[in-house]
Amino acid sequence: NAGVTQTPKFRVLKTGQSMTLLCAQDMNHEYMYWYRQDPGMGLRLIHYSVGEGTTAKGEVPDGYNVSRLKKQNFLLGLESAAPSQTSVYFCASTRDSEAFFGQGTRLTVV
Amino acid sequence: AQSVAQPEDQVNVAEGNPLTVKCTYSVSGNPYLFWYVQYPNRGLQFLLKYITGDNLVKGSYGFEAEFNKSQTSFHLKKPSALVSDSALYFCAVRAWGKTGFQKLVFGTGTRLLVSP
Repeated sequence: NAGVTQTPKFRVLKTGQSMTLLCAQDMNHEYMYWYRQDPGMGLRLIHYSVGEGTTAKGEVPDGYNVSRLKKQNFLLGLESAAPSQTSVYFCASTRDSEAFFGQGTRLTVV
Repeated sequence: AQSVAQPEDQVNVAEGNPLTVKCTYSVSGNPYLFWYVQYPNRGLQFLLKYITGDNLVKGSYGFEAEFNKSQTSFHLKKPSALVSDSALYFCAVRAWGKTGFQKLVFGTGTRLLVSP
């Protein structure tokens, strides 16, 4: 019962570097989401996907790109990291609107 | 705008006392409402949801929530708090994006601190 798995769990980037966060779910869910969590701001939706090959922008999409080439995977990319992207990133997938979350990725951009 | 508001950053309660964590919502149509809990260094875990039916919804770990349409509220409650209930609680509502796809919108979270 893996559920939703995020890799990596921690990462430190230098400003301007790029990276990809991977989210994998084994529940055959259509919907997948990327959120960022910042103190006092709760969870803010970055991008989401309603199925393989389909993505949509959330509240805070700037500076991020996503891809959903396979139903079970949802990738979040940072092309040129900025200190403002220091955050904890959560991936989720949903069934009947109930969300299942990964453990999170703590990203620090220095 | 489709949103939820959690007016309290923190709620303090003594163990054994009842607790309430407040949430109000703004959404068009019939709301789908949720409560999630987050323990330190963990992802969010589902507690309960309201879709339709009885206004009092029961969930995990003895929690319940009361849906009040006239007050657009969905407050989380527990009759007797435990120290282990200390965590961050998020209210959420199902909303619709510009593209017509559904998404979950979360509140800013309320930290619950239960003292022994």
